[in-house]
Amino acid sequence: DAKTTQPPSMDCAEGRAANLPCNHSTISGNEYVYWYRQIHSQGPQYIIHGLKNNETNEMASLIITEDRKSSTLILPHATLRDTAVYYCIALNAGGTSYGKLTFGQGTILTVHP
Amino acid sequence: DSGVTQTPKHLITATGQRVTLRCSPRSGDLSVYWYQQSLDQGLQFLIQYYNGEERAKGNILERFSAQQFPDLHSELNLSSLELGDSALYFCASSPRHISNTEAFFGQGTRLTVV
Repeated sequence: DAKTTQPPSMDCAEGRAANLPCNHSTISGNEYVYWYRQIHSQGPQYIIHGLKNNETNEMASLIITEDRKSSTLILPHATLRDTAVYYCIALNAGGTSYGKLTFGQGTILTVHP
Repeated sequence: DSGVTQTPKHLITATGQRVTLRCSPRSGDLSVYWYQQSLDQGLQFLIQYYNGEERAKGNILERFSAQQFPDLHSELNLSSLELGDSALYFCASSPRHISNTEAFFGQGTRLTVV
């Protein structure tokens, strides 16, 4: 699975959009981009994933560049409860990784009042 | 609530002992993953089972073993425990072993070795 690079930390004001970048310049054509988050010491929580097209769900939007070398997770209206570590993961669909997630260091997002 | 149940939530034991952590996946999920999270190592993949068979192995020590039973629950056995094994252990499940689906994580078991 391709290596991903994320900034170690970011801040965001409550109510504003949080834009979390991820670089995955070596991603291959059949690797999905997944985002998970971990709030304090709870179990990681799935947020969203995509292959080529932009995706949106009730939690967030995922914008993937046309060359697929980077992506941005957007939390449209951040709340204090969105303070967490956010992980961007590249995952090979159907490959020998068998769906196992390789977590990096992630981005610590702090939402402040 | 992710639907994945891990027991116990907390466990304190002495060095050299053996413990068993249990995971009940979401109803219908065939794949179970185990992860270890310590302060200095982050989230590390240990092992994956799919429908009772081992599918992938990560950085799992020889002192650790796991299995998935016919009812699809899984157990992670940790033996000859050392202080460094103190960590959060997470179990996750997903419907299949193909990755175009999300994994659901339990709340973890916090193991403290004294």
